[in-house]
Amino acid sequence: EPEVTQTPSHQVTQMGQEVILRCVPISNHLYFYWYRQILGQKVEFLVSFYNNEISEKSEIFDDQFSVERPDGSNFTLKIRSTKLEDSAMYFCASSARDNDGYTFGSGTRLTVV
Amino acid sequence: AQSVTQLDSQVPVFEEAPVELRCNYSSSVSVYLFWYVQYPNQGLQLLLKYLSGSTLVKGINGFEAEFNKSQTSFHLRKPSVHISDTAEYFCAVMNSGYSTLTFGKGTMLLVSP
Repeated sequence: EPEVTQTPSHQVTQMGQEVILRCVPISNHLYFYWYRQILGQKVEFLVSFYNNEISEKSEIFDDQFSVERPDGSNFTLKIRSTKLEDSAMYFCASSARDNDGYTFGSGTRLTVV
Repeated sequence: AQSVTQLDSQVPVFEEAPVELRCNYSSSVSVYLFWYVQYPNQGLQLLLKYLSGSTLVKGINGFEAEFNKSQTSFHLRKPSVHISDTAEYFCAVMNSGYSTLTFGKGTMLLVSP
């Protein structure tokens, strides 16, 4: 069964450093997403991406965040200057249609120290 | 804006007993509804979805859910649970015409022998 692959599974970074979280969505999917889950809290929407541009973003997705699909297969989330409160599990997802259930990756646990 | 309420943070149940995990939503427009399962240290896996048509939806692993528009509910049921069903279950809603998911806080299903 096709999978969404996320790397790394766990990343530790110092506050103020830039991090890039990587995702390889399912190859024939057209819609891409990032969500995050702070420990003990809800899974929250960050951003959706379609046709090489952001289609929706939440209030969480401020100027510190950016997404890119640099080569037609990878989908990355960059946090420019990490804060302690960015510590969370970050999930990438993709879907074939915009009203379909997503396929999620296994997540990247980001720990900011 | 839509919201999802999962009333039970934890549901303990014995193996082979039936279980119902409750989910209520609020939205001012038509919605699509989803249940996801998260096993320990894994990503979110789609269990089932309601987009339209029959209000009783069958999913993987013997789970089913019923969409009740008048009660704005989408409860998840299984007639006989296994130890392997121990996991966190998330209800999510998507507004028709949009592609973002709003998640509930999750319900931890604990199945014991």
